[in-house]
Parts: sequence; structure tokens; C-alpha cells
Amino acid sequence: GAGVSQSPSNKVTEKGKDVELRCDPISGHTALYWYRQRLGQGLEFLIYFQGNSAPDKSGLPSDRFSAERTGESVSTLTIQRTQQEDSAVYLCASSLTSRETQYFGPGTRLLVL
Amino acid sequence: GESVGLHLPTLSVQEGDNSIINCAYSNSASDYFIWYKQESGKGPQFIIDIRSNMDKRQGQRVTVLLNKTVKHLSLQIAATQPGDSAVYFCAERSGGYNKLIFGAGTRLAVHP
Repeated sequence: GAGVSQSPSNKVTEKGKDVELRCDPISGHTALYWYRQRLGQGLEFLIYFQGNSAPDKSGLPSDRFSAERTGESVSTLTIQRTQQEDSAVYLCASSLTSRETQYFGPGTRLLVL
Repeated sequence: GESVGLHLPTLSVQEGDNSIINCAYSNSASDYFIWYKQESGKGPQFIIDIRSNMDKRQGQRVTVLLNKTVKHLSLQIAATQPGDSAVYFCAERSGGYNKLIFGAGTRLAVHP
């Protein structure tokens, strides 16, 4: 079946602009996660969704970052007033339940000029 | 605090040799560990996982070993191939759900 998909694959924006990143999880997966990966580094947890609720938002770096999930499916990560330090790859993962293996999408490469 | 680290940032091996990638973790309460492979420009790909009630698990050409006494995890790749060249991440889970803590990664370079 189809894996996790993310769009856009690449995004270049100017400092101060808002961006929206989209994640389509594997169908039927109840849990969804967002991570950030800076160049040459490991993955940093941002937020976890169970269904449409986000029990853990502890990884969101600032109030400029927000995320939502609708229909227990698609999720959108929004970054307002982007800064250069927001440049990174943003990865989405989903799992069948909150205890099952996470499967990752290809990521969105964000560059803030 | 929680941390997952890797002993070697890069590992170079000859094609056909066995590779061993090591990982240390600090949270003795972690109950689940997982290895991912990440090729350039792609998202992490699941390789193998292991629960804390096991000390060894085998897959196709890969074996994960868990030593809870010294809080050490390793990934063994048999007969390494050029297609195995990638960055490998270990991660641990210690919460009630699937929040993973990742290490910085080890780059595996396979030479012909």
C-alpha cells in the first residue's frame, strides 16, 4: 500500500513568511508524529497526534510552530514568521497504534532565506 | 536526561565484510529500541526493532543485539553491500507511547 507522503518536497521561503507543511499518513494509522532534522543531525521530536488530538506538543520549539490533524488523517505543520534557524528537513511518521513501528515520509526540505 | 548516542560517527567497510554499528543509551527504563537507515535525500527507513525483554533479534542480513547491563545496542549487517551505504540511526522509547529519542547517526560507507 501507499506509504507516508509529504508535500511540498522542497520549500524556499523568505524570512518572516508563514509556511504550511502537509503530511498524509498511511491509511488507518491512528498515531502521527512530526520531527525536525537539521543538517547532519539526528531527528528531534516535535509533536505527537493520537487521532485528531495532540497529547504531546512538548517538542514544538516556539509558539511560532503549530500543527493540526483532521479526519484522523492529514496533518499540517505551520510555521509562522519563519526564521533562518527554521531551515531543516521536517519529517512526518505514522504508526498503526501509539505502540507500533513508525514509518516515515520523505520529508519536506525547508530553506528560509 | 534521556540520551542516545553513537560511538562512531563514520564507519568504512569493504564490500562483503560484516558491519557493526554501536549505540549507547542512558535511560534504563527504555522498553523498545529501533534502527533506521536513511539514504541521502530520503526519510528514515525501518530496519529492525527489539523490545527490552529480548537480547537478540535477527532479520534478513541484520541482527540487533541489546545488552541492558551496559545499556548498549548494536546493529550487525552481514555481507555488507554498496546499497547499505547510508546513515544509520538508533532510537529508544521510554514513554507510554511511541516518542522516540534519536541519536546523531553513524554514516556507513561501503567500498568495492
